[in-house]
Amino acid sequence: DIQMTQSPSSLSASVGDRVTISCRASQSVSHYLNWYQQKPHKPPNLLIYAASSVQSGVPSRFSGSGSGTHFSLTISSLQPEDFGTYYCQQTYSAPQTFGQGTKLQIK
Amino acid sequence: QVQLQETGPGLVKPSETLSLTCTVSGGSISGYFWNWVRQPPGKGLEWIGSIYDSGNTNYNPSLKSRVTISLDTSKKQLSLELRSVAAADTAIYYCARDWGYSGSYYPWGQGTLVTVSS
Repeated sequence: DIQMTQSPSSLSASVGDRVTISCRASQSVSHYLNWYQQKPHKPPNLLIYAASSVQSGVPSRFSGSGSGTHFSLTISSLQPEDFGTYYCQQTYSAPQTFGQGTKLQIK
Repeated sequence: QVQLQETGPGLVKPSETLSLTCTVSGGSISGYFWNWVRQPPGKGLEWIGSIYDSGNTNYNPSLKSRVTISLDTSKKQLSLELRSVAAADTAIYYCARDWGYSGSYYPWGQGTLVTVSS
């Protein structure tokens, strides 16, 4: 199985901050890397697919980059509604695997 | 727009079979991969398996011996069976559609909590 490792596991940031979450794959996943945001008691919500494509309806402050084994999700100017847990997912090879999650709190 | 809704028992006894249904509304079930994902309370996401409209399935090797996913296109439903459950199978179970872009999932159902306990 391809292991997905996110860092940090948690972070606290202020409104307006630039936030970056990293995701590393144990082997290359090409661009088959997706990002989700999950809020408490809700299902995950797709933010970014194919490493850098922003899902329709997602605010433009969210962006994704990377390929191969190193990826990042960036929030350019943190907003209060951006709290939650963020997950990366590789769909390059089965079994599809998720990172362990990054919990983002607003200071 | 496409909506998914999971239904099934919220409590299953150890060693018994967990059975869930996901009903698709607002769109076609054909031409997509449909997935089951679970999330133990307070923990991360685990892919269980997927099924295409042809009936072809793919399962997580960690669960493969206990899982069956099926599709009823006439009812626009997919089903999950997980046999010989234990407390470690307590989780929120989600169904989700692979909408065809990088294997990403959109949309997801709201999820249903299944507790394994006697």
